[in-house]
Amino acid sequence: AQTVTQSQPEMSVQEAETVTLSCTYDTSESNYYLFWYKQPPSRQMILVIRQEAYKQQNATENRFSVNFQKAAKSFSLKISDSQLGDTAMYFCASQGAQKLVFGQGTRLTINP
Amino acid sequence: DGGITQSPKYLFRKEGQNVTLSCEQNLNHDAMYWYRQDPGQGLRLIYYSQIVNDFQKGDIAEGYSVSREKKESFPLTVTSAQKNPTAFYLCASSIRFFNEQFFGPGTRLTVL
Repeated sequence: AQTVTQSQPEMSVQEAETVTLSCTYDTSESNYYLFWYKQPPSRQMILVIRQEAYKQQNATENRFSVNFQKAAKSFSLKISDSQLGDTAMYFCASQGAQKLVFGQGTRLTINP
Repeated sequence: DGGITQSPKYLFRKEGQNVTLSCEQNLNHDAMYWYRQDPGQGLRLIYYSQIVNDFQKGDIAEGYSVSREKKESFPLTVTSAQKNPTAFYLCASSIRFFNEQFFGPGTRLTVL
């Protein structure tokens, strides 16, 4: 069975700071994908970044990057130069052969 | 513009009534999904469909039914057998099963 755990229910930082959101996962599959999704107050789920498990290089999308530690089954998201528009729920998710499993989410607030 | 639409945005139902939530996509995606989100929680998979005329139960299928008669459409019916249907429902699609999923804007269902 796949599980995804986000240990930080809430985080708060000042605008322009860097913040890291934690995620650990467990899966028995050898081929899988990992994702971070953002859910702003509108509740639309937006894909932030993806990582293929077979790739050692950490994925990067502009201000968003991940630290993928496959042996430790860790997949953290770093947001650099945080902006007010980054305020949202962030969900870590693991895609296996059967389904996409989500963590409980981290509520991130960026303060002006 | 390609995308996923869900209607209605808000839906109210009396106890004992069935209600159908609409999900349409024009992305030419083969796979479609339905998720339920409760306050402060992640998404849980209700049903998914890998191709037309085929669908599979997810983790919480009891009290729900779906159909997939057209590639573009994947409606979800919440039946009176669903004991606690008040929730936020999200539809998603992916080009094929096991690819990254893109989400619609969601439907908020409230049982009166």
